[in-house]
Amino acid sequence: DAGVIQSPRHEVTEMGQEVTLRCKPISGHNSLFWYRQTMMRGLELLIYFNNNVPIDDSGMPEDRFSAKMPNASFSTLKIQPSEPRDSAVYFCASTRGGSTDTQYFGPGTRLTVL
Amino acid sequence: GDSVTQMEGPVTLSEEAFLTINCTYTATGYPSLFWYVQYPGEGLQLLLKATKADDKGSNKGFEATYRKETTSFHLEKGSVQVSDSAVYFCALSESGNTGKLIFGQGTTLQVKP
Repeated sequence: DAGVIQSPRHEVTEMGQEVTLRCKPISGHNSLFWYRQTMMRGLELLIYFNNNVPIDDSGMPEDRFSAKMPNASFSTLKIQPSEPRDSAVYFCASTRGGSTDTQYFGPGTRLTVL
Repeated sequence: GDSVTQMEGPVTLSEEAFLTINCTYTATGYPSLFWYVQYPGEGLQLLLKATKADDKGSNKGFEATYRKETTSFHLEKGSVQVSDSAVYFCALSESGNTGKLIFGQGTTLQVKP
C-alpha cells in the first residue's frame, strides 16, 4: 500500500495568495483528518470527514480555511488568503474509522507564507 | 470532554538508560489508547496500542499497559538508543466510532551517545 499521499511536500508563498494542499487517503479508509503542527501550538485537529462528509470543523481557525472531500480518494485544504501565521506543517491522516483502528499519517506539507 | 496529559519534556537520557514517559487520560466510556512517534521531518506513526483494560501494547522494545484504575498508559523502554530520539504522543480514541483521536501535547526524547 502506498500510504497516505500528500502534495506538495513544501510550499512557499506570499501573503495574500491562495494555497491548496492535497491528500489521497489509503484506499478503503472511511475517515480522513487534517491536522496542523507548529512549535507554539503543537498538533491541532482542523477538520475531519467520515464517508466524505465533514463531521467536525470546529478546529478550523478562520473562514480563510476551507476543506473538501469530493470523493473517497481525494481531499483538499485551502487557505485563501494566506497569512504568515499560517506557516506550519499540515498533516493528513486516514483510518478505517473504528475506535480501535490506527490513524495513518501522511508525510506532511511544510507551508511557509512570507 | 476527553483529554490526555503527558509529562512535559524534553527528556534527555544517555544511551542504554531506562525510559518512562507518563501519560494519563480522562474519558467517558472505554477508549482505546495509543502511542505515536514522530521522527524529525516525518509524520506521526503508530508505535503501539491497547484496546482494553490490562492490555499491554509492545513494539520495538517499547511497552505500555492500559491501567483503567489509574487511568494511565505510561510508555517504557528498558534500554534506549540514539535512534529513539523523537517526539512521542499519547492518544485516546474518542467515543462514537469515528476514528477520531485525542492527542497529548507530545514529549520530546533526546538520547545522547
